[in-house]
Amino acid sequence: QSALTQPASVSGSPGQSITISCTGTSSDVGSYNLVSWYQQHPGKAPKLMIYEVSKRPSGVSNRFSGSKSGNTASLTISGLQAEDEADYYCCSYAGSSSYVFGTGTKVTVL
Amino acid sequence: EVQLVESGGGLVKPGGSLRLSCAASGFTFSSYSMNWVRQAPGKGLEWVSSISSSSSYIYYADSVKGRFTISRDNAKNSLYLQMNSLRAEDTAVYYCATLAAAQTRWGQGTLVTVSS
Repeated sequence: QSALTQPASVSGSPGQSITISCTGTSSDVGSYNLVSWYQQHPGKAPKLMIYEVSKRPSGVSNRFSGSKSGNTASLTISGLQAEDEADYYCCSYAGSSSYVFGTGTKVTVL
Repeated sequence: EVQLVESGGGLVKPGGSLRLSCAASGFTFSSYSMNWVRQAPGKGLEWVSSISSSSSYIYYADSVKGRFTISRDNAKNSLYLQMNSLRAEDTAVYYCATLAAAQTRWGQGTLVTVSS
């Protein structure tokens, strides 16, 4: 299983919107509506931000939204805030109870 | 409160073995499939292994197949990872996680360092 492809870095100014892409294949992202997104601050465990492509867990800001088209999923952060600066990883179910993660994207708030 | 607490990490020589444990609390452990996910220093996340709620189904990433063994004890609310024939590239923080949609939970991780 190859890692899902994400841009290495994305940046934006406070208040702006940014979008992180996550490209997989027809065997993972394209086959299942089971894409999730995680936020990870340095030295911390990943935090679930989006599950099942576009659903937000309780307590996650509605500034975070997810979508999918074909083999590519996307995470959009609107109204960018300083606290959003972190690494973000997508994750897709890949069949047979296996998962594949993205390469990770470092979000910088300018 | 849902908690997953990993333990058992440490420094081990190449070719050596280590057993990781994950203690679960605050949820019905026996109802959930469980996973191990690792993160090498400065690198991304990598799914390692999963085990179904009753241990009937077990899967491994190709990178650890034949060397790692996942198991669980529902009576003790515990998940395990037996790691044999360790290599330098197995150096990572190992997390246990549920990966269960809105019920997704992660532990804080335990560091495994494989070095001579």
